[in-house]
Parts: sequence; C-alpha cells; structure tokens
Amino acid sequence: QKEVEQNSGPLSVPEGAIASLNCTYSDRVSQSFFWYRQYSGKSPELIMSIYSNGDKEDGRFTAQLNKASQYVSLLIRDSQPSDSATYLCAVNSFYNQGGKLIFGQGTELSVKP
Amino acid sequence: DAGVTQSPTHLIKTRGQQVTLRCSPKSGHDTVSWYQQALGQGPQFIFQYYEEEERQRGNFPDRFSGHQFPNYSSELNVNALLLGDSALYLCASSLESRSAYEQYFGPGTRLTVT
Repeated sequence: QKEVEQNSGPLSVPEGAIASLNCTYSDRVSQSFFWYRQYSGKSPELIMSIYSNGDKEDGRFTAQLNKASQYVSLLIRDSQPSDSATYLCAVNSFYNQGGKLIFGQGTELSVKP
Repeated sequence: DAGVTQSPTHLIKTRGQQVTLRCSPKSGHDTVSWYQQALGQGPQFIFQYYEEEERQRGNFPDRFSGHQFPNYSSELNVNALLLGDSALYLCASSLESRSAYEQYFGPGTRLTVT
C-alpha cells in the first residue's frame, strides 16, 4: 500500500463546475496535510494546508480532513481553465522531528471552457 | 519578499560525472529540504537540513549528499551520476518554529544525464 494515494486522473470538468480531488494516507499519526498545485513544467505551489478535522475554506478552495477515515480532499468551486494543473496531496508526520513531506502521485485536472 | 531560489535552471551531465545544485531559502526561513521529482510522479524526499546538519533522510543512496551553510543556503551533490538520476530537483524551505512545516518550493533544477 502506498503511503499517500490519489485518484490517478485525469479529471475533466466543465468551466464553472466543482472539481473534487481526493487523497488517502496510511500513517495514522500524520499531523499536517497540504495541497500543492503544479503547472506543467513548473514547481509545486502550496495552495492549502489543513491540520484539524473538518473543512477549511480559502476563496474558491475548500480542504476537507477526516483523520478517522485517513482521508483528505480538495474542492475547487467555479472551476476556471486556469485551474488546469496537476494537484499534489502531501502529508507530514513531524512527531519524529523533521518535516519530511510524503507526496501522492498527483491528479491531473483539466477544466474545459 | 524573496522566494526560494535555485541554480542552475537546467543542467546536462554525462553518466559518471558529479553535479552540485544550489538553493537559497525564502527570506526568514531556516530549514531546507530537497526532493527529486521524476516525470509523472510526486516529489520524493531526499533529505532535510537544519542548523547545518542533515536531520532526516529519505531512501536515497550515499551518492546523494548535501550541505547547509550558516546563511541557511544549501547544496545538493550527486556523485557518479546514473541515467536514472535524470529528474527535476526541488528545494523547499520552511521555518522550524512553525510546527505546521509548510514548505515552499523553488523553481527547481532540471537535470538530464546522458
């Protein structure tokens, strides 16, 4: 079992729709959860971080965390063509000191005009 | 606010050679992590430096080594390059005192080994 798993995609949604990206993780003591956006040929950009169960909203983005189910998701409302990118889920278990991020393989999102 | 910078942007090396990649962290950050990203994959953790010491290491051979300087900048060295070392090498910086460990990536160095 991979430590962090994401839908392989690609995920295609029409402009204006809600895009839902999912991620599961295997280490129950994971503490911090992050979503990065990576455009083709560019480096990952941090767009959301979440640490407690529940929802966290930032503009059109909502991150949802359920530690009991070891599940984290990212919702993008009113999707725009500029949201087309690969979205990476990352998990950190800093209980052993350090800040190693474990990434999923990414989900490619395509927003069609 | 200066972000994370990396140099060089691109690099082409021959199998067996050695390479050094450089990173300057975001202003105010003191911790540097290095990741390797193969095409179509998520980044893989190589190691992390804090207070000029390697604090944590991923599953990479000893050919991969690093260093952190007093000004928090860092280098990644790879010896005896293999074709499989071709990848995007990413540097990420963070602030130790923030337990959330939000990491911010630089633009990366694209290494091609021929």
